[in-house]
Amino acid sequence: DAGITQSPRYKITETGRQVTLMCHQTWSHSYMFWYRQDLGHGLRLIYYSAAADITDKGEVPDGYVVSRSKTENFPLTLESATRSQTSVYFCASSESQGPQYFGPGTRLLVL
Amino acid sequence: GENVEQHPSTLSVQEGDSAVIKCTYSDSASNYFPWYKQELGKRPQLIIDIRSNVGEKKDQRIAVTLNKTAKHFSLHITETQPEDSAVYFCAANTNTGNQFYFGTGTSLTVIP
Repeated sequence: DAGITQSPRYKITETGRQVTLMCHQTWSHSYMFWYRQDLGHGLRLIYYSAAADITDKGEVPDGYVVSRSKTENFPLTLESATRSQTSVYFCASSESQGPQYFGPGTRLLVL
Repeated sequence: GENVEQHPSTLSVQEGDSAVIKCTYSDSASNYFPWYKQELGKRPQLIIDIRSNVGEKKDQRIAVTLNKTAKHFSLHITETQPEDSAVYFCAANTNTGNQFYFGTGTSLTVIP
């Protein structure tokens, strides 16, 4: 677990602002994922990446942008934050067909 | 795409009793099934997993069974303890795109 980190751990922002959540893993896993977790919805996939420069949409991608210029980093950007994006965000990584490991999460509050 | 359903959504058991959580999946191509435990305010953590070429796997008080024909898999916790109280998620993974499809979670409470 110590091999995947997220920053910041807590963030308060206002509607309309751009916010970037960082994710870093030290295992050199090929795959990385972003989920949001809200009460009553479990874990919902926002975006995922199979390798550097390869990203794809998940279940709830609207309002989010990702990039992956390096294997170890997978930042998630909220281009113009909305209150509905208040959530806990988890980054995860895995090898193909291997266990998925989660970061500690970022709690985001959009006022 | 894959659809994973998980039941029950909440489960209360007395300490020492067993707990069973069941999941079904829809895509016969799914071949890897992990289970995660999430304590309040913490990240989901892998507790056990099973691949489609195996019918059962056990790790101390935790076991997982898989029925490929019926497309369902279950988590069994024996001799439950208060520290087993958490939310448990099942997931299914396919070769295609390596996406993980999660169930909606089961909140387990172990009553001392």
